[in-house]
This record gives sequence, structure tokens and C-alpha cells, in this order.
Amino acid sequence: EVQLVQSGAEVKKPGESLRISCKGFGDSFSSYWITWVRQLPGRGLEWMGRIDPSDSYTNYSPSFQGHVTISADKSINTAYLQWSSLKASDTAIYYCARGGVTIDYWGQGTLVTVSS
Amino acid sequence: QSALTQPASVSGSPGQSITISCTGTSSDVGGYNYVSWFQQHPGKAPKLMIYDVSNRPSGVSNRFSGSKSGNTASLTISGLQAEDEADYFCTSYTNSSTVVFGGGTKLTAL
Repeated sequence: EVQLVQSGAEVKKPGESLRISCKGFGDSFSSYWITWVRQLPGRGLEWMGRIDPSDSYTNYSPSFQGHVTISADKSINTAYLQWSSLKASDTAIYYCARGGVTIDYWGQGTLVTVSS
Repeated sequence: QSALTQPASVSGSPGQSITISCTGTSSDVGGYNYVSWFQQHPGKAPKLMIYDVSNRPSGVSNRFSGSKSGNTASLTISGLQAEDEADYFCTSYTNSSTVVFGGGTKLTAL
């Protein structure tokens, strides 16, 4: 069974950096793109970008380009989403999901809270 | 890239059929047969219900069906059940090699 397991909830201050992770189990991790999706509190889903773990090629939504970095380490079946300087407006749940066009399996989500 | 347009809410009685629309442009919904629909219950991760416009993943009830006409895709749920009450989101591939979500529709089973 395919599983994506994300790292735990984070509480950070504005200006701090952060990297959250998404580890794949049960299938060939490098065979599928990994997509990151943001869900603001009480709001809808937003496509942030995706990565091909086999070669680390990335695509970003224009809304997130330059604000986050998506990376992957195929040797440990893990994808990452990172910020160099968090803002309060980054407070949200972040999901990783398998697939670059059609998303099928989802991680459980990581709650990121940014507050002074 | 603008979000796809969905109605904010729809409702129906148990046993009825409901349809949720998802309107985009020729650059996304109208240009590709890569429309998906997701169901999300409160506090849970989304679940894939329909992919490639009209295909159901294994394990998804055949009460869920999808279609597309021009720049508008639709999700139909027949024989509405209380457990179908959830938020529903559509997605589409775009001509910028990105994916765009709809704003989401809250389905209430009356």
C-alpha cells in the first residue's frame, strides 16, 4: 500500500526558516512526481508546485515561485518543502501528494503555525 | 493562474442526485482531459474521487461520476447519502504545465 508520511506540526516565529518532509512508502518513490498543496485555515486547496524525484526537476505555481523551495532525496524516498523566511501568512496545513498531473495518494498534512 | 470556479455550496436530500460544476478556460479545463475531483471531510486529507474527467479509482462508489463540456467539468453524485457531506474540489492541468484547483464546494445532505 502506498503511503506518504509527513513530518509533524511546527510552530515558528516570523523570519525563521523551516523545512518539512514527506516520506514515501510502499511503491517506487522516484517513479512519480510529488506535489505540494497548501490549505489556509478554513479555506480551499492551492497547488504550490511539484518535483520529479528521479532528477529533481521542479515546477512552481507563479503564486509560490520564489517564496518556497521544493526538493527531494530519492535515496531516502523523501521530498521537502522549505522556507528561508516565514511570514504569519504562511500559517496553513501543507499536504504532499503523489502525482504531477493526476494526484492520487495524499500525506496526512503538516500544520505550520507562524506567530510571534 | 486563476482558480477554477465552483459554486460555494450545494445541497440535496438523501437519495437525490446533485451536480457540482467546475468552470475554467480553454487554457485548462477546456484544453486537457486532466480534470480530477477530490472529496475532503473536515480535518482529513483530500481523497481522489474522479480522475481524467470521468474515471473512478478503485474503491470509489459508482454513485460518483464525472463529465466535461467545453470549459466546464461536472461531478455528479447520485443516490446522495449522509456520508457524502463534505467539501469537493476540482483540479485541472494547465497550459503552463501547472495544476489549478477550484475554490471548493460545500455539499450539504439535508
